[in-house]
Amino acid sequence: NAGVTQTPKFRVLKTGQSMTLLCAQDMNHEYMYWYRQDPGMGLRLIHYSVGEGTTAKGEVPDGYNVSRLKKQNFLLGLESAAPSQTSVYFCASSNLSPGELFFGEGSRLTVL
Amino acid sequence: RKEVEQDPGPFNVPEGATVAFNCTYSNSASQSFFWYRQDCRKEPKLLMSVYSSGNEDGRFTAQLNRASQYISLLIRDSKLSDSATYLCVVQTGTGRRALTFGSGTRLQVQP
Repeated sequence: NAGVTQTPKFRVLKTGQSMTLLCAQDMNHEYMYWYRQDPGMGLRLIHYSVGEGTTAKGEVPDGYNVSRLKKQNFLLGLESAAPSQTSVYFCASSNLSPGELFFGEGSRLTVL
Repeated sequence: RKEVEQDPGPFNVPEGATVAFNCTYSNSASQSFFWYRQDCRKEPKLLMSVYSSGNEDGRFTAQLNRASQYISLLIRDSKLSDSATYLCVVQTGTGRRALTFGSGTRLQVQP
């Protein structure tokens, strides 16, 4: 029962470094999302995808890029990490209803 | 004003107690409503959808008040395992950007 898998689970970066978070889902869902969660704030949508080869900006897209070359994978990239990007990142997928999201376990990123 | 507001808590209650959380939303055009549960350092998981007529799932009851623009979650006979953060989620409009998450209400059930 893999569901949604995120890698890596933890990462520490220095300011200016780049990295990619990988999200993989095995439920054949069309829609995939990247959120960030910060203390005292709700989950905020970074980017999302409504199908293979498509991506769109969410609420807080600046500083991030995404790609969805395969239906099951959704990659989140940080080209030049900043301390403000220290957060917990969650990937999610859904099929039909936007309210029924299936989340990965999260990736904790610290930017020094 | 935040689009979705929740009392952050924590709500500290003894086992067996009944506890209720409210969540207010600002957009009267909001269409769908949900409660998610998030355990400490874990991912959110859907607890239940909230229907206009109200709905119940075991010890959990969700209600919607469109006139006052709030939804509620009632937990009866609290268990230690109910300790978690409860996230209110509101869908406004259409499209994948339409979900707004509240920052959550933390519940701690004590023995």
